[in-house]
Amino acid sequence: ETAVFQTPNYHVTQVGNEVSFNCKQTLGHDTMYWYKQDSKKLLKIMFSYNNKQLIVNETVPRRFSPQSSDKAHLNLRIKSVEPEDSAVYLCASSFTGSQNTLYFGAGTRLSVL
Amino acid sequence: GDSVTQTEGLVTLTEGLPVMLNCTYQTIYSNPFLFWYVQHLNESPRLLLKSFTDNKRTEHQGFHATLHKSSSSFHLQKSSAQLSDSALYYCALSKDSGYNKLTFGKGTVLLVSP
Repeated sequence: ETAVFQTPNYHVTQVGNEVSFNCKQTLGHDTMYWYKQDSKKLLKIMFSYNNKQLIVNETVPRRFSPQSSDKAHLNLRIKSVEPEDSAVYLCASSFTGSQNTLYFGAGTRLSVL
Repeated sequence: GDSVTQTEGLVTLTEGLPVMLNCTYQTIYSNPFLFWYVQHLNESPRLLLKSFTDNKRTEHQGFHATLHKSSSSFHLQKSSAQLSDSALYYCALSKDSGYNKLTFGKGTVLLVSP
């Protein structure tokens, strides 16, 4: 049962364009995340928000910027995409606390031509 | 920083044989949380099982794992592989307090054939 919703499912764009991805969770969680899954299936955290506050900001290029309007929504904007940004972007949510399970959305597959 | 090592990129098995996927970790935290997530084809990762307690076996859906802090290991096992077990398995580590920041291993693809 999907409770973390991501849009769009796919996005194809050209180098230099701006893209935005949306994520919404209906689980009542207070923490949301963006993970990047590359072509080799490596999963790396990019950002984490707790109650709209940025708490984890890994070393990602400045062209990536997360935005959170409330604890149920977390968006990701890429200002000027590069070929290496081609990947699946997975949104996830959980309750606060290291022991808690992450629930992932279906992902947004980005292809940069 | 924290790291998780999954030594096998691909494990191929015949249905009915036992499964063991290796996971070791490095962390400065004395009480880390360890997780196994599974990702089936065209799906997103979902939790398979997790553990925080040293030397205690954790089971779910026929799989089991035991956290051994002495050897920094959390290997995933199953007594008899099924075709439906074919998937990508991630071992992951979280620190012992505060906000959840999972560090994932590179993943192991398990392919079970008839």
